[in-house]
Amino acid sequence: NAGVTQTPKFQVLKTGQSMTLQCAQDMNHNSMYWYRQDPGMGLRLIYYSASEGTTDKGEVPNGYNVSRLNKREFSLRLESAAPSQTSVYFCASSEGGGGYEQYFGPGTRLTVT
Amino acid sequence: AQSVAQPEDQVNVAEGNPLTVKCTYSVSGNPYLFWYVQYPNRGLQFLLKYITGDNLVKGSYGFEAEFNKSQTSFHLKKPSALVSDSALYFCAVSLGGYQKVTFGTGTKLQVIP
Repeated sequence: NAGVTQTPKFQVLKTGQSMTLQCAQDMNHNSMYWYRQDPGMGLRLIYYSASEGTTDKGEVPNGYNVSRLNKREFSLRLESAAPSQTSVYFCASSEGGGGYEQYFGPGTRLTVT
Repeated sequence: AQSVAQPEDQVNVAEGNPLTVKCTYSVSGNPYLFWYVQYPNRGLQFLLKYITGDNLVKGSYGFEAEFNKSQTSFHLKKPSALVSDSALYFCAVSLGGYQKVTFGTGTKLQVIP
């Protein structure tokens, strides 16, 4: 039982490059989330998927897109990376919505130069 | 709009002493409240949550939290701190259902041997 897995663990991009962050969970959870963590800002929600087949914008969606590929997988895409997207990205899942605890992946440390 | 405030960026406590990490919240409705812990270079881990009922909630690793509706607070406590408790602690709030979870900016707990 791996919980929530994320790939890659580290990535360096040049401005304008694109990439996809992958996330998978094996807990049969309905809801999945993407956050970014920046010093002094806490965690900010980028996008979430309340259930398979649905996605919604969070607090900071600009510059990102997501795909809920199936119940297990939820990917985050940066189409044209910018230095402001340098951050640590966390994927999380929960059994349901906001009333349930979330389980987090180990994170992806992204640097955009 | 819902929000969470963690007024202390850092809390220092001597090993063996009681610890308190403060959290206040603002939400229009009955809150779901959570505490998470983050160790260096790791994802967040769930510690405990308040839904309804007893104002004192017990969680993992000997932590507990006290819900105070009149003061809109949900402070995290532990009777006797361990050096291994040193980490970053996040408070979070939601209205449940498919409402989003809002995280605080985090409090760094340093337990001094």
